[in-house]
Amino acid sequence: GQQVMQIPQYQHVQEGEDFTTYCNSSTTLSNIQWYKQRPGGHPVFLIQLVKSGEVKKQKRLTFQFGEAKKNSSLHITATQTTDVGTYFCACHMDSNYQLIWGAGTKLIIKP
Amino acid sequence: KAGVTQTPRYLIKTRGQQVTLSCSPISGHRSVSWYQQTPGQGLQFLFEYFSETQRNKGNFPGRFSGRQFSNSRSEMNVSTLELGDSALYLCASSFDSMEPTEAFFGQGTRLTVV
Repeated sequence: GQQVMQIPQYQHVQEGEDFTTYCNSSTTLSNIQWYKQRPGGHPVFLIQLVKSGEVKKQKRLTFQFGEAKKNSSLHITATQTTDVGTYFCACHMDSNYQLIWGAGTKLIIKP
Repeated sequence: KAGVTQTPRYLIKTRGQQVTLSCSPISGHRSVSWYQQTPGQGLQFLFEYFSETQRNKGNFPGRFSGRQFSNSRSEMNVSTLELGDSALYLCASSFDSMEPTEAFFGQGTRLTVV
């Protein structure tokens, strides 16, 4: 079936370090969405990217959509303890209205 | 407006029993999707309903079924429960999943099968 690969599965960082998670697809995506799930919580929508090469920022978070609309990244600058959680990408592929989910990247802040 | 409501929040069932979970979407949302999430795992898609019709289905056995009512509320049923069915079941609503709009998740139902 259609898949979107998300890497890495886990990332351990010291507070203040940067964090990046990537999503890749072999087929063109109609859009890409990013969600955050805090420990014990449910996924919460962060942002949606639709245009080729689109870049959006939310404070310390930067979201990018590749020129070919086959990959995307989420970058967090200077992580804080409040950033802890699992970040998921989700997308619609052309001609398919089912939301396809990445496996998620768990951000862990080292004590 | 009220968010997505899932009931019950917690459930303990015995192997072999059946269970029904409920999801009330945000008012005006017609698409409801169900997901299974086990510890440390991603979101495993179960099925999606739109206007009372199942529009998409994931790779789960026939023991997992669902339906949607005319008011868009949805139920999910699992028959002949197995220990491996213990998980967090999440439902998400969106205005119309054919359009690239965000999905709003409920708090989930945590099912434990003993």
